[in-house]
Amino acid sequence: RKEVEQDPGPFNVPEGATVAFNCTYSNSASQSFFWYRQDCRKEPKLLMSVYSSGNEDGRFTAQLNRASQYISLLIRDSKLSDSATYLCVVANQAGTALIFGKGTTLSVSS
Amino acid sequence: DAEITQSPRHKITETGRQVTLACHQTWNHNNMFWYRQDLGHGLRLIHYSYGVQDTNKGEVSDGYSVSRSNTEDLPLTLESAASSQTSVYFCASRAGGETEAFFGQGTRLTVV
Repeated sequence: RKEVEQDPGPFNVPEGATVAFNCTYSNSASQSFFWYRQDCRKEPKLLMSVYSSGNEDGRFTAQLNRASQYISLLIRDSKLSDSATYLCVVANQAGTALIFGKGTTLSVSS
Repeated sequence: DAEITQSPRHKITETGRQVTLACHQTWNHNNMFWYRQDLGHGLRLIHYSYGVQDTNKGEVSDGYSVSRSNTEDLPLTLESAASSQTSVYFCASRAGGETEAFFGQGTRLTVV
């Protein structure tokens, strides 16, 4: 089983749609969880950290289920500018190295 | 402002040559990483370092080496470049704990 697995997509949605991405991780001792965003030919940038209690940042909501080893990202009211690849990221047991999923591609159209 | 920079941004080299990619961060982070990104594979960890004089192998370390002589720099060396090492290379640094990692802008390496 891969350490971090994501559905690669692509997800093609119209503006205003709600879209959800899922991610599973294999190491139950993982400590920290993140969603990164990567635009074409650019470096990854942090979108949001994922906390056990769940967290929200504007149109974005992240959830963590440690029992199922599952992370999710919900994007409401999608914008054209949300088109990108979304990377699920898990810190290893020591909390140092970050392990990336292969990413989920989102394309928002008008 | 603190930052992390990579150089060169683009490089073309020949098979068998030794190549060094530079990474410099001014965050004063102890943890630094090198990843490569290829279509179909996502970001894969090559080497990482927890501090000065510390280096560790990642998932795809064969053919690569790093050294950490100070906090700011983690150069990545390809001992004898191969066509399979054509890729985009990203350097990152992180304070540790639950903090985020910051990435350089990437180096696009082509081995011909």
